[in-house]
Amino acid sequence: GQQVMQIPQYQHVQEGEDFTTYCNSSTTLSNIQWYKQRPGGHPVFLIQLVKSGEVKKQKRLTFQFGEAKKNSSLHITATQTTDVGTYFCAGPGTSYDKVIFGPGTSLSVIP
Amino acid sequence: DGGITQSPKYLFRKEGQNVTLSCEQNLNHDAMYWYRQDPGQGLRLIYYSQIVNDFQKGDIAEGYSVSREKKESFPLTVTSAQKNPTAFYLCASSGAEKQYFGPGTRLTVL
Repeated sequence: GQQVMQIPQYQHVQEGEDFTTYCNSSTTLSNIQWYKQRPGGHPVFLIQLVKSGEVKKQKRLTFQFGEAKKNSSLHITATQTTDVGTYFCAGPGTSYDKVIFGPGTSLSVIP
Repeated sequence: DGGITQSPKYLFRKEGQNVTLSCEQNLNHDAMYWYRQDPGQGLRLIYYSQIVNDFQKGDIAEGYSVSREKKESFPLTVTSAQKNPTAFYLCASSGAEKQYFGPGTRLTVL
């Protein structure tokens, strides 16, 4: 069945270092979404990418959608302690309105 | 305020008891979802509903049941048949292709 994978599972960085998480789908996606879940909280929508090769920026966060629309990445420049949390990518499933989430990348930032 | 509410935030139950988790939304969304999250794990889909009086099983529906009698409400019952029910349960609704999550219910079965 359709799968969405993410690497790495965990990442520990020193504050100020950069961070990247990668998302790969077993099937071509019409769009990809990214969510952030703070420790003890719930996932919050960050962004959606739709076009092949699309790049979007939100302050220190850069999101990319691959040319084949099967992979995506989230890059954080100069991490801060406020970036701590788990980052999930998600893509539409085969059923209408169903969403497939990746397993997430948990980011820890050491001050 | 518009959003999704889940209650209670923390829930403790004895083994063998059924328990119902509440989820309400005032976003006027048709689609609603229930996910289970275990420590350090991702989100696993339990059930989802695209419209009132209709719902579909997700990847881990065994031991759970839902109803969708009203557009605003999508309660989840964790039955005694669920072998390992202790987890964090998240309800979500979908609008404009985004998922909006409630604050979650942490269920502990003693």
